[in-house]
Amino acid sequence: EAQVTQNPRYLITVTGKKLTVTCSQNMNHEYMSWYRQDPGLGLRQIYYSMNVEVTDKGDVPEGYKVSRKEKRNFPLILESPSPNQTSLYFCASSPMNSNYGYTFGSGTRLTVV
Amino acid sequence: AQSVAQPEDQVNVAEGNPLTVKCTYSVSGNPYLFWYVQYPNRGLQFLLKYITGDNLVKGSYGFEAEFNKSQTSFHLKKPSALVSDSALYFCAVRRLKLSFGAGTTVTVRA
Repeated sequence: EAQVTQNPRYLITVTGKKLTVTCSQNMNHEYMSWYRQDPGLGLRQIYYSMNVEVTDKGDVPEGYKVSRKEKRNFPLILESPSPNQTSLYFCASSPMNSNYGYTFGSGTRLTVV
Repeated sequence: AQSVAQPEDQVNVAEGNPLTVKCTYSVSGNPYLFWYVQYPNRGLQFLLKYITGDNLVKGSYGFEAEFNKSQTSFHLKKPSALVSDSALYFCAVRRLKLSFGAGTTVTVRA
């Protein structure tokens, strides 16, 4: 089944403790992206990647890192999480062609206390 | 720059009545427009898209959307709403990245 897999689904952590949210897709998509969803703000792009070793900032990149060492994986790293990063996070992938929408993962609900 | 506006935070309708969720967009060049739906505690699911051609696009679950270039709008519609249509709906526009509106919560009452 074609899908985007995120882990974990839920995570509670403490301020300053480094964490990684994993994302993997099995559709051979070139484009991958991370979004955060906050009430009243919709989905805002954090980082995106157009291919292996090619990453760039989205609209809200502060406090986040990403890497794209393999085409299928695009982990999101929070080196020193803070409470304002409490949010619902989605990973998505798509072909590069803009005719296509994205396929989304199921989401990761992160709480930083 | 590209952006999407969903002017209504909430839409409430009775089951069986028509449902409309409004969306306007701003983008340079030809717009690629999408609607997604999010049910509670779930990810986003694709409903439909407009790329080119007929201004009326049909999608999943009986939804359709009308593209209006002069009004830069892409309103989502369903002729007869169901209680199970209650969810959060997002309009989006894509050039390279996909930019989302803030979302509209739809509540269909029995």
